[in-house]
Amino acid sequence: QVQLQQWGAGLLKPSETLSLTCAVYGGSFSGYYWSWIRQSPMKGLEWIGEINQSGSTNYNPSLKSRVTMSVDTSKKQFSLKLTSVTAADTAVYYCARWTIISTAFDVWGQGTMVTVSS
Amino acid sequence: SSEVTQDPAVSVALGQTVSITCQGDSLRSHYASWYQQKPGQAPVLVINGKNNRPSGIPDRFSGSNSGNTASLTITGAQAEDEADYYCNSRDSSGNHWVFGGGTQLTVL
Repeated sequence: QVQLQQWGAGLLKPSETLSLTCAVYGGSFSGYYWSWIRQSPMKGLEWIGEINQSGSTNYNPSLKSRVTMSVDTSKKQFSLKLTSVTAADTAVYYCARWTIISTAFDVWGQGTMVTVSS
Repeated sequence: SSEVTQDPAVSVALGQTVSITCQGDSLRSHYASWYQQKPGQAPVLVINGKNNRPSGIPDRFSGSNSGNTASLTITGAQAEDEADYYCNSRDSSGNHWVFGGGTQLTVL
């Protein structure tokens, strides 16, 4: 059974860079798109972007200028960096797997609460 | 604002049937998937973009599409179905993903 395990800093100050990593256990890294999705009371679920094993990325236009995603296929991990954070970036961040087989986000990480506060 | 919209809240009597809808122009040409989320937990896929249930999801959950509307139907709602439900599809460009605002389902 595929599991996603994510980690990263949970408390940031304004203008700092958010950094999260997600590891894939129990399944293949190839053949899927790996996404970051966040959830806040204000904006609900918001897709941040996706990356595949080749490093090809696709970002939400509203966040594109601040987002960078990367992969480490040898470790079956993918990462998110979001620069210049503000209080509006406070949210629970999830990593998730998208598969063309089911055309859906079929596996999710446990979520990481990220708070931006001075 | 989201490009796919949902009613904020819906209620259903125990054992009855309820449909949760998701509307948006992109749904005329793109599939929708549905997620259940209970407090403090990550979303769980209940209906995929092909209107199929993943393994382990009860067969009382089903999905359908008509025009600009996607629907999640629960036939014979159970107390454990009380949760927030989110639809997901492509945006109007077809290049990015969007989620509906979520529907809070109450089972009476």
